[in-house]
Amino acid sequence: GESVGLHLPTLSVQEGDNSIINCAYSNSASDYFIWYKQESGKGPQFIIDIRSNMDKRQGQRVTVLLNKTVKHLSLQIAATQPGDSAVYFCAENYNNNNDMRFGAGTRLTVKP
Amino acid sequence: NAGVTQTPKFQVLKTGQSMTLQCAQDMNHNSMYWYRQDPGMGLRLIYYSASEGTTDKGEVPNGYNVSRLNKREFSLRLESAAPSQTSVYFCASSEPSYIDTQYFGPGTRLTVL
Repeated sequence: GESVGLHLPTLSVQEGDNSIINCAYSNSASDYFIWYKQESGKGPQFIIDIRSNMDKRQGQRVTVLLNKTVKHLSLQIAATQPGDSAVYFCAENYNNNNDMRFGAGTRLTVKP
Repeated sequence: NAGVTQTPKFQVLKTGQSMTLQCAQDMNHNSMYWYRQDPGMGLRLIYYSASEGTTDKGEVPNGYNVSRLNKREFSLRLESAAPSQTSVYFCASSEPSYIDTQYFGPGTRLTVL
């Protein structure tokens, strides 16, 4: 079946470097995507979203890129800080309703 | 403004026991959700409620029931707990539009022995 997945389960970066977290999706009908951040012992927290009629969206220190041709989503974090250490999930709206499907997550570790 | 709250934070059950997980939100959201999160996997939707008085199955509804008690509260019930239901359970709510940002509670860690 179709599912959301991630290329890498872990990512380690140096403080101050840029981070790129990737996500592959296979449901071509999905038209809305969200990136969440989850810190240890807490619930997921919204970071940024993007709709399928866009290919790029920027927030504060974060940028989401959407490539519908290859069904790929990425999250870029500029000047990564220790507080960015967390698990990052991408999610897609499945069947265009309230059913959001999540990827397995990528653990980002920021080294001082 | 507490956002989304969940009780209890931790729970240990024996196989066959029943329990209800409580969730409440104070953001006046119409939509509420229950997810489970297992190690190495993303969140999977159990049930959701698009508005007060309605509930729908998500990806993994078997073994669970839900009640949308009112606009604020959405409970998840395990009638006969099984070890496969050991997980972390998250409740979430969102604005009335059908696709929008979901705000999550802190989670309930459930262990079924």
